[in-house]
Amino acid sequence: KQEVTQIPAALSVPEGENLVLNCSFTDSAIYNLQWFRQDPGKGLTSLLLIQSSQREQTSGRLNASLDKSSGRSTLYIAASQPGDSATYLCAVKDDYKLSFGAGTTVTVRA
Amino acid sequence: SAVISQKPSRDICQRGTSLTIQCQVDSQVTMMFWYRQQPGQSLTLIATANQGSEATYESGFVIDKFPISRPNLTFSTLTVSNMSPEDSSIYLCSVPSGPGAGNYGYTFGSGTRLTVV
Repeated sequence: KQEVTQIPAALSVPEGENLVLNCSFTDSAIYNLQWFRQDPGKGLTSLLLIQSSQREQTSGRLNASLDKSSGRSTLYIAASQPGDSATYLCAVKDDYKLSFGAGTTVTVRA
Repeated sequence: SAVISQKPSRDICQRGTSLTIQCQVDSQVTMMFWYRQQPGQSLTLIATANQGSEATYESGFVIDKFPISRPNLTFSTLTVSNMSPEDSSIYLCSVPSGPGAGNYGYTFGSGTRLTVV
């Protein structure tokens, strides 16, 4: 059974600092990995999708890397802003369904 | 990517009653997924809903408690039956972000925040 772990569980940084969020998974036979953002009590917004054959994806201030063989992904958020405060979830797809980590709750202090 | 409209966005219900959650997708999709997110927890897949067939439930979830309908390729409902406070969660529907069997990501609805009192 796929298990996904996210470290740290929570993170508080001053505005402008870069964020580094980690995700690890136990079974490397994945199709892709997706990073989501969740605001309190809300649904999920997709941030980045990395296919198993890719090493990284970038969108604006966001960059995600994938090391499939070691079962790790890292989400980097550059120059953090208070609006980046949210919970960030990673999810891996194997077969047809997603397995989620518990998330990293980020607070960016103005 | 598909756009999902999920209703209601939140509700407060009495124990012993049932609530039906609706998801409408702006394009036809073969598979729709229903998830539960308990307070402070991550998402857990409840079931996969395919049009024209019975939903497939994950371990720990049963049809009598979470009946699902999938009348067409753009719509699905999840009912939470005979509710207890332990059912207080966010419920989300999800669809693949692309057509066919490609390695697409997933799009999620805005969620239904359910509180059972």
